[in-house]
Amino acid sequence: DTGVSQDPRHKITKRGQNVTFRCDPISEHNRLYWYRQTLGQGPEFLTYFQNEAQLEKSRLLSDRFSAERPKGSFSTLEIQRTEQGDSAMYLCASSLTLNSNYGYTFGSGTRLTVV
Amino acid sequence: ILNVEQSPQSLHVQEGDSTNFTCSFPSSNFYALHWYRWETAKSPEALFVMTLNGDEKKKGRISATLNTKEGYSYLYIKGSQPEDSATYLCAFIGNQFYFGTGTSLTVIP
Repeated sequence: DTGVSQDPRHKITKRGQNVTFRCDPISEHNRLYWYRQTLGQGPEFLTYFQNEAQLEKSRLLSDRFSAERPKGSFSTLEIQRTEQGDSAMYLCASSLTLNSNYGYTFGSGTRLTVV
Repeated sequence: ILNVEQSPQSLHVQEGDSTNFTCSFPSSNFYALHWYRWETAKSPEALFVMTLNGDEKKKGRISATLNTKEGYSYLYIKGSQPEDSATYLCAFIGNQFYFGTGTSLTVIP
């Protein structure tokens, strides 16, 4: 297992287009988290899953955003009708439990640029 | 949204200097406090997971303390090296998960 992987690493899209990102967590981790990070800010929590269940969503997550983890393994984050304000780094992390002694393991992120 | 604040926002130190940063967080609904090190173009890397008031953890030249009653944690780096240059993030784990804005450290050779 090589850790948490995210695809793509970079995405440039035109305003109004839909984009989808994928996250493959560490295989034995049942918790998966999505964060968004903009310049000068720390990562902002978006949502998290325990297995396939989406347990919490931030109010930052507008109705244009949807996340799934259909089989409790990989997850996808879709943004519909992208806006320039969606430009950010989207980070995925996974952990074994709520408070793993090892913290969260992060992927390298997907950098989205909306032009 | 809860406030998790880190200070200073950025820091430049000379190689060999010791330094410390602060993370302040709500003292209620505390579950854990994480510290991460985030180098440019890499993933955030977990440094410490702290859960108990009074916890002190150490990894090499880096150590951290935790005060849950007053809502702060300190991260110390002893004898800073250029490879310590990174952004250091703390994350408050309570009812939700909140990161601070980070402290950007630059160690000048």
